[in-house]
Amino acid sequence: QVQLVESGGGVVQPGRSLRLSCAASGFSFSSYGMHWVRQAPGKGLEWVAFISYDGSDKYYADSLRDRFTISRDNSKNTLYLQMNSLRAEDTAVYYCAKAMIMIFLMDVWGQGTTVTVSS
Amino acid sequence: EIVMTQSPATLSVSPGERATLSCRASQSVSSNLAWYQQKPGQAPRLLIYGASTRATGIPARFSGSGSGTEFTLTISSLQSEDFAVYYCQQYNKWLTFGGGTKVEIK
Repeated sequence: QVQLVESGGGVVQPGRSLRLSCAASGFSFSSYGMHWVRQAPGKGLEWVAFISYDGSDKYYADSLRDRFTISRDNSKNTLYLQMNSLRAEDTAVYYCAKAMIMIFLMDVWGQGTTVTVSS
Repeated sequence: EIVMTQSPATLSVSPGERATLSCRASQSVSSNLAWYQQKPGQAPRLLIYGASTRATGIPARFSGSGSGTEFTLTISSLQSEDFAVYYCQQYNKWLTFGGGTKVEIK
């Protein structure tokens, strides 16, 4: 079955970096764009970034483009999110999600990985 | 940025009753509107896209309507598993989510 499994979350000090991973299975990963979406504790959903099926196009939320980098390795069926200069407000559950043909729609979501930025 | 506003923030409904959730866009998004359901501790699940098309496996009691700036998600007869938070999302220009409506048991 179609599955996305995030990993790499944890507790990190402000100013440090963290890389999240999302392992995909059950579908042709290299044929679909992918998203990262986050959710702060008790808050709503916030879109973070998108990468096209081949990695040639990348889009970011304006407030995050200077610190976050999305990438993918289609040979490993894995999506990544590099997060630098982390702040307390980056504390959230981070979800990866598979895009549909309409690239800004997401039809499959992982269970999320929790990032806590705290000293 | 297109701002999505959902109302009410919380909706108290008895099982078996109809629930009507609203979503308003700050500018027209045509029919490029989706609805997601999120239960506690779970990832969001796509319910509706194109304002009114049910995603794969979504029961017929869920229906969406609207276009332009005003949208509605209707759950015709609430089941116990439908109590959750619902988010709208526009994808006409980039993508933005609404703040969510929590549907709770009355």
